[in-house]
Amino acid sequence: QSALTQPASVSGSPGQSITISCTGTSSDVGGYKYVSWYQQHPGKAPKLMIFDVHIRPSGVSDRFSGSKSGNTASLTISGLRADDEAYYYCSSYTSSTTCLIFGGGTKLTVL
Amino acid sequence: EVQLLESGGGLVQPGGSLRLSCAASGFTFRRFAMNWVRQAPGKGLEWVSTLIGSGDTTYYADSVKGRFTISRDNSKNTLYLQMNSLRVEDTAVYYCAKSWDDIVVGGPWGPTFDYWAQGSLVTVSS
Repeated sequence: QSALTQPASVSGSPGQSITISCTGTSSDVGGYKYVSWYQQHPGKAPKLMIFDVHIRPSGVSDRFSGSKSGNTASLTISGLRADDEAYYYCSSYTSSTTCLIFGGGTKLTVL
Repeated sequence: EVQLLESGGGLVQPGGSLRLSCAASGFTFRRFAMNWVRQAPGKGLEWVSTLIGSGDTTYYADSVKGRFTISRDNSKNTLYLQMNSLRVEDTAVYYCAKSWDDIVVGGPWGPTFDYWAQGSLVTVSS
């Protein structure tokens, strides 16, 4: 089972909005509502930012939003801040024998 | 406050075994599925295994199936990962993570891990 496809890097200036895509297939992203997004700062454990495509856990800023269209999920961060600079990973349930898969990760740089 | 504290990482030779432990506190342990996720040095995240709250049903990534065993002791609020026949490519930081909810066996479920431990480095090398 291949990993979900994410851009290796994205960048934006403070205050701007960026979107990170996560492309899979109808066997994973496109077939289920179970897509999550994680933020990871270097040397730290990942942090859950979005689950079930668009739901924000308590305590996560509403600057973070998730959506899905067909086989592609997206994470949008509005009002970019310096501390948003991190790696972002998408993850999805998959109907393959490996139940859960992650994307390769996207490095967000705040210019 | 939810806390997950891992132990058991270290250096092991190829073909060897190691057991990771994850002590949980701050929530009703038996009511939640628990997971292991790993990250090879400089690489992305990889799901390893999940165990439902009762401990009756397990799920494994193809890459570790038949070599790793996930288990839990709900009386001790502790999750385990027994790793056998270790390979160089198993070298990674292993994270214990709590699921948002328990899993309904037989249905799809989400990669919704709301609390993570600090991670344990497992190095497989001769």
